[in-house]
Formats: sequence, C-alpha cells, structure tokens
Amino acid sequence: GAVVSQHPSRVICKSGTSVKIECRSLDFQATTMFWYRQFPKQSLMLMATSNEGSKATYEQGVEKDKFLINHASLTLSTLTVTSAHPEDSSFYICSASEGEKLFFGSGTQLSVL
Amino acid sequence: GQNIDQPTEMTATEGAIVQINCTYQTSGFNGLFWYQQHAGEAPTFLSYNVLDGLEEKGRFSSFLSRSKGYSYLLLKELQMKDSASYLCAADSWGKLQFGAGTQVVVTP
Repeated sequence: GAVVSQHPSRVICKSGTSVKIECRSLDFQATTMFWYRQFPKQSLMLMATSNEGSKATYEQGVEKDKFLINHASLTLSTLTVTSAHPEDSSFYICSASEGEKLFFGSGTQLSVL
Repeated sequence: GQNIDQPTEMTATEGAIVQINCTYQTSGFNGLFWYQQHAGEAPTFLSYNVLDGLEEKGRFSSFLSRSKGYSYLLLKELQMKDSASYLCAADSWGKLQFGAGTQVVVTP
C-alpha cells in the first residue's frame, strides 16, 4: 500500500523556537495533504488542507501565521510551528490520499518546554 | 453542524465479538472510514463504506446506513492485539471529520 513518511517522530524544543515537520508521500503523488493535531485521549482535529502549488486552507480557529504550511512539490508538505509555546505540545499527523483511501504519516510528538 | 458520536470505551473478552456504533451528522457526506489507532501511533486504515450495507473483511466488518447517519464496526474473534482506539470518520467534501474514538479493551 501507499506509504507516507513523516519526520521527525519526536521533537523537544524550547519555548519561542520554531519547529518544522516534513510529510512525504513515498510512492505516489499527492496534490492534497492534510495536517491533523491530536491531544492525549482526544480525536484527530483537522488543522489545514495543504494544496500543492497554492496556499493552504486552514480550519476555523487555526492560526495560519503560527502554523505555516508549504506544499512545494507533489510529494512533500511541511508544517512549521512558529514561536512554539507549551500549549502547542501535541501529536501532529499528516495524511495524503491515494484514490479513496487516506494514508497517515507516523506522527510527530512535539513537546515545548 | 458537524457531529460524530461513538462510545468512549468498550470492554470484551478474548474470542468474543464487539460492535462499535458511530452516528454522524455532516454537511455533505461521501463515505465513512474506520481506523484503528494504538497509543502513540498513527491511525491505520480498516475500512471505507460508501454504499449502504455490510462489508466484510476477515475478522472485521463495517456497516453503513446513509439514511440513518449510522455505521458500525464489528470485531469478531477478538484478540489481545485488538486492544486499541477505533476511530470513525465521515468523509465530508474530501475532508475527514473524526469521532473521539472508542477505546476497546480486550481481556483474557
């Protein structure tokens, strides 16, 4: 099946720094990728839809200036958490669709001290 | 508004059957996904129902009724490794809206 690679799997950073998370579709082209956030014991919440070659579409309540998304190629989308704060600590997961199926990356556990 | 409801937790013994119900209300609906998620890991795809009816895939089956806004995931011959969170997600205009997940605990 299709593979989505997400990097890094875990990151610990100081408050105020920026963190970049990469999401790659390894064996298929993904014109659209999705970014989710999941707090402990809660559901995945869609943050934004990343569109190759155009601006991302953000869900209501998600700050576009804080969560920068770049989808520069058909196989790579990046999420940058700018000026991270402890409340941004969460599990971030990307996904990409191939046909009707949605495949997830392995997730990134972000801890902001 | 959008609403996806599923039970918080279910407990069953090894070898038993468990049915996880999911009701949804979304503006626009293409289909219903079920995912399995172990703690600290990404969800893995289980099933996708577009048409009404039951789809069987090994020990797991999924049912959909579009008119009732209802789906269920049936897990048969439960194994200890099936202990996980099971998420239903409604596909609404290409975006997935997830339920909060049902934690299934399988006991010996």
